[in-house]
Amino acid sequence: QQQVKQSPQSLIVQKGGISIINCAYENTAFDYFPWYQQFPGKGPALLIAIRPDVSEKKEGRFTISFNKSAKQFSLHIMDSQPGDSATYFCAGRGEYGGATNKLIFGTGTLLAVQP
Amino acid sequence: GAVVSQHPSWVICKSGTSVKIECRSLDFQATTMFWYRQFPKQSLMLMATSNEGSKATYEQGVEKDKFLINHASLTLSTLTVTSAHPEDSSFYICSAREVLTGELFFGEGSRLTVL
Repeated sequence: QQQVKQSPQSLIVQKGGISIINCAYENTAFDYFPWYQQFPGKGPALLIAIRPDVSEKKEGRFTISFNKSAKQFSLHIMDSQPGDSATYFCAGRGEYGGATNKLIFGTGTLLAVQP
Repeated sequence: GAVVSQHPSWVICKSGTSVKIECRSLDFQATTMFWYRQFPKQSLMLMATSNEGSKATYEQGVEKDKFLINHASLTLSTLTVTSAHPEDSSFYICSAREVLTGELFFGEGSRLTVL
């Protein structure tokens, strides 16, 4: 019920290409789905987040696509740059203030953008 | 954005000693803070939820007597690893939930190495 499955485990993309990372969740109580970017030796930083009442959210080069019926969501990084090379984590969180309001992370995707 | 500070950022200790890690929200109040542990190339695993003025809630499998958590004020939570052993070596990361918005902000992490 608490798992968030993420794929692929690692991804290599050429500069200017599109990076796509997928996540699937089980807990239907989740109502907030953030993506975090983490550089080595640093804490994760919020990249973009979506709530299940919308199917897509775009911020700059980053887009989240959300499929509530399939319990899946994905991160698209357009025009990928070497500076985007990092580990990306999806996550799911229960309703704020609710008993399950904990952030559960996916397994992570190591992205390498080649120049 | 809001800042969460962790201290120390790295620590090396001898086996059997105790180590305290601090997590501070610098410019906002946080009634709830979360402690995560991250092993190399792995995801963040939630250890416990720290609530200001009350006992922490530990995740299944986390020894509460080994990982002591204190949340004495709205801006400070501490994690004490008692009688540390080499297997406790890990990257410990805290996050703080802003009271008004529910937004989560992460610290930069603390690298613990137990010799």
